[in-house]
Amino acid sequence: DAGVTQSPTHLIKTRGQQVTLRCSPKSGHDTVSWYQQALGQGPQFIFQYYEEEERQRGNFPDRFSGHQFPNYSSELNVNALLLGDSALYLCASSAQGTGGQYFGPGTRLTVT
Amino acid sequence: AQSVSQHNHHVILSEAASLELGCNYSYGGTVNLFWYVQYPGQHLQLLLKYFSGDPLVKGIKGFEAEFIKSKFSFNLRKPSVQWSDTAEYFCAVILPNQAGTALIFGKGTTLSVSS
Repeated sequence: DAGVTQSPTHLIKTRGQQVTLRCSPKSGHDTVSWYQQALGQGPQFIFQYYEEEERQRGNFPDRFSGHQFPNYSSELNVNALLLGDSALYLCASSAQGTGGQYFGPGTRLTVT
Repeated sequence: AQSVSQHNHHVILSEAASLELGCNYSYGGTVNLFWYVQYPGQHLQLLLKYFSGDPLVKGIKGFEAEFIKSKFSFNLRKPSVQWSDTAEYFCAVILPNQAGTALIFGKGTTLSVSS
């Protein structure tokens, strides 16, 4: 049983560009959350998707957007990249009504 | 604003020493509490969680945590650490009355265990 998978593993982008990160949840999970983890910090919640809708959003600008597909996989899009967007982006999945989120390995985004 | 505080930034122990990592949260209502661990080169893994009931929670790999409501604390403990426990430890909460189940994380504690 595959856990949470994310692609790509690493990504280098230039300021002003746009990026799309992808996540496939653990089998049986229908809820996907995205987090940003800066170096030396704990993960910060970006948003959560359930039933293809954004159910909850953290304190991130509108440049950060997402999508969930009918198969529960999800994308995170970031527009107009800034140097400060450089971070590890984590995807986590869970089953509705249960506690504990399972994390993927993350995508390391570097903005130059 | 609600927050999660992990007061120990870096803890260094010898093998067989006892471990206690502090975690405090600032929200006064009912919260769900978690400890996650990130071993070097690996992704975040759930160690244990508390929703309700017995305030002493046992997790994987011999870890346990105690919820003390009056102190807004959820400290992580292990009686005897091993070199393989070297990792980053994160405390996290889910606040009630939210549309979703967003985790609010502390900044983490780095544990280094020497053999």
